[in-house]
Amino acid sequence: NAGVTQTPKFQVLKTGQSMTLQCAQDMNHEYMSWYRQDPGMGLRLIHYSVGAGITDQGEVPNGYNVSRSTTEDFPLRLLSAAPSQTSVYFCASSSGTLNEKLFFGSGTQLSVL
Amino acid sequence: AQSVTQLDSHVSVSEGTPVLLRCNYSSSYSPSLFWYVQHPNKGLQLLLKYTSAATLVKGINGFEAEFKKSETSFHLTKPSAHMSDAAEYFCVVSDRLGNFNKFYFGSGTKLNVKP
Repeated sequence: NAGVTQTPKFQVLKTGQSMTLQCAQDMNHEYMSWYRQDPGMGLRLIHYSVGAGITDQGEVPNGYNVSRSTTEDFPLRLLSAAPSQTSVYFCASSSGTLNEKLFFGSGTQLSVL
Repeated sequence: AQSVTQLDSHVSVSEGTPVLLRCNYSSSYSPSLFWYVQHPNKGLQLLLKYTSAATLVKGINGFEAEFKKSETSFHLTKPSAHMSDAAEYFCVVSDRLGNFNKFYFGSGTKLNVKP
């Protein structure tokens, strides 16, 4: 049972480059989300989705785009990377049932030079 | 919106002594509350969750937390620390979006366990 799969695990970008962080889950979860983790700030919500075709902004959405064309996939796009986007990114999913827990991917460590 | 405050960024205990990690929340109604643990270079794992059934919640690895509405607190405790408990711990409160939850994370508490 794969759960939540994130790729890549590590990435180094130059300022201005674009890239997509991939996230896939095989649990048929309706709710998917992206977080960034920075030292001393916990996890902050970037974008989330409550089903295919439905996305919304979280606390820190600027500089990131998302789409949800299928239930399984929820990619995060950086259109023009900036050093401030250096962080560890986590994808998480949930079945959507009230009070249900989040299932996390293993994270992507991104450095923007 | 909900919010969570973890009162200590770092906690250091000796192996075999009690652990207390403090969390206060802000919520306009009865919240769902969670504790997650993150071991170095790993993803996050659910330790326990409170969903209004019982105020004292038991989780994995001997951890438990007590929901105190009057104090808006959800502190995490363990009677006896083990070296393997060294990790970062996150208190989380959820907000309802219709049939879904939106999760808000605290800033984390790093637990150091000394031999």
